[in-house]
Amino acid sequence: SYELTQPPSVSVSPGQTASITCSGDKLGDKYPCWYYQKPGQSPVLVMYQNNERPSGIPERFSGSNSGNTATLTISETQAMDEADYYCQAWDSSSAWVFGGGTKLTVL
Amino acid sequence: QLQLQESGPGLVKPSETLSLICTVSGGSISSPSYYWGWIRQPPGKGLEYIGSIYYSGSTYSNPSVKSRVTISVDTSRNRFSLKLTSVTAADTAVYYCARHDRRQWLGIDYWGQGTLVTVSS
Repeated sequence: SYELTQPPSVSVSPGQTASITCSGDKLGDKYPCWYYQKPGQSPVLVMYQNNERPSGIPERFSGSNSGNTATLTISETQAMDEADYYCQAWDSSSAWVFGGGTKLTVL
Repeated sequence: QLQLQESGPGLVKPSETLSLICTVSGGSISSPSYYWGWIRQPPGKGLEYIGSIYYSGSTYSNPSVKSRVTISVDTSRNRFSLKLTSVTAADTAVYYCARHDRRQWLGIDYWGQGTLVTVSS
């Protein structure tokens, strides 16, 4: 079955850039999506099709995907960006697959 | 504004069947553009995809639970449902219903608020 691997945690200072990675076999051939989830809330789509933002998602959020790694980048990180972030991709044998999640801490 | 609302028992006994319904409002479940799916999240853990259904009844699901999962759709009531058989404590989770485009790369754009289902005797 297909697997996506994320670092358990990432820390960033306010105003700095945070990068969250997601690794999977030939992930660059897929179109991973990214979600954030705050405690007690449902996930929210923040990135799709590698680097497309849904309406309402700030331009500070950007994405890239190449080889085996996709990256969600948050520039000028704010305290409100603190959340769990999940990558997700479609695989023909496993259907939707989620990464294990990364807890972003804004120190 | 599209809204999805999960409903069903919050407590299920081990070896029994978990049954949930997702009622869709503000949009038609018969839209040819979308699939309707279930995702769960054990307490303190990550997201796990369960499966999805199209308004025509076409489904696909996570191989890890496929043998225990039935997803059905009721277009007359604008809702879809999940049945998970032979549950164990490992099935304790918040269960979300959601909508995603047929084009998988567009992601899951609407989620329900989630409902906690506990498996315990």
